[in-house]
Amino acid sequence: DVQLQESGPDLVKPSQSLSLTCTVTGYSITSGYSWHWIRQFPGNKLEWMGYIHYSGSTNYNPSLKSRISITRDTSKNQFFLQLNSVTTEDTATYYCARKGTTVVAHFDYWGQGTTLTVSS
Amino acid sequence: QIVLTQSPAIMSASPGEKVTITCSASSSVSYMHWFQQKPGTSPKLWIYSTSNLASGVPARFSGSGSGTSYSLTISRMEAEDAATYYCQQRSSYPPIFTFGSGTKLEIK
Repeated sequence: DVQLQESGPDLVKPSQSLSLTCTVTGYSITSGYSWHWIRQFPGNKLEWMGYIHYSGSTNYNPSLKSRISITRDTSKNQFFLQLNSVTTEDTATYYCARKGTTVVAHFDYWGQGTTLTVSS
Repeated sequence: QIVLTQSPAIMSASPGEKVTITCSASSSVSYMHWFQQKPGTSPKLWIYSTSNLASGVPARFSGSGSGTSYSLTISRMEAEDAATYYCQQRSSYPPIFTFGSGTKLEIK
């Protein structure tokens, strides 16, 4: 079965960068699908952040475009989120998720989420 | 970018009651996905492509809609259905994925 697992720090200071890892088991991230980061703010608003396609191409939410980078390590079947210059507004639970590559495809597998607090 | 507006934001229903949650899109779309989320867990795909139930979803759930108006319906509310439900869409280009603000459904 496909499983996604987020990992990373619990706490980051303002102005620093955050780095999160999504480890995928049960499916190769180079075989198909797009691999996404989605976050949920306190108060429960969900925001899509970006994805890395199985081909390696990326696409980001324009609201984050200057601060975000999604990369991968195919040997470890992991993909990563880096968000620069964080503020307290980046405090959220971060999820990684898988989505089919067609226009109508849906997010079918999600990780359990990792909660990140930005605070000095 | 498509904006999705859900209503109501919060509602409660008695066991056996019919429940309808609506999602209004800022421009016409051709499908809608729905997710269920319970506290402390990640969102779970519930209904995809407007009306298709995800694996394991009880048949009392249904989805419908077209254009700018979509809905999720529970024919007879059960306690296990208490959760927050989100609709989700994507803009065609550039591809941006958006979620509704959520409807918290409580059991009376």
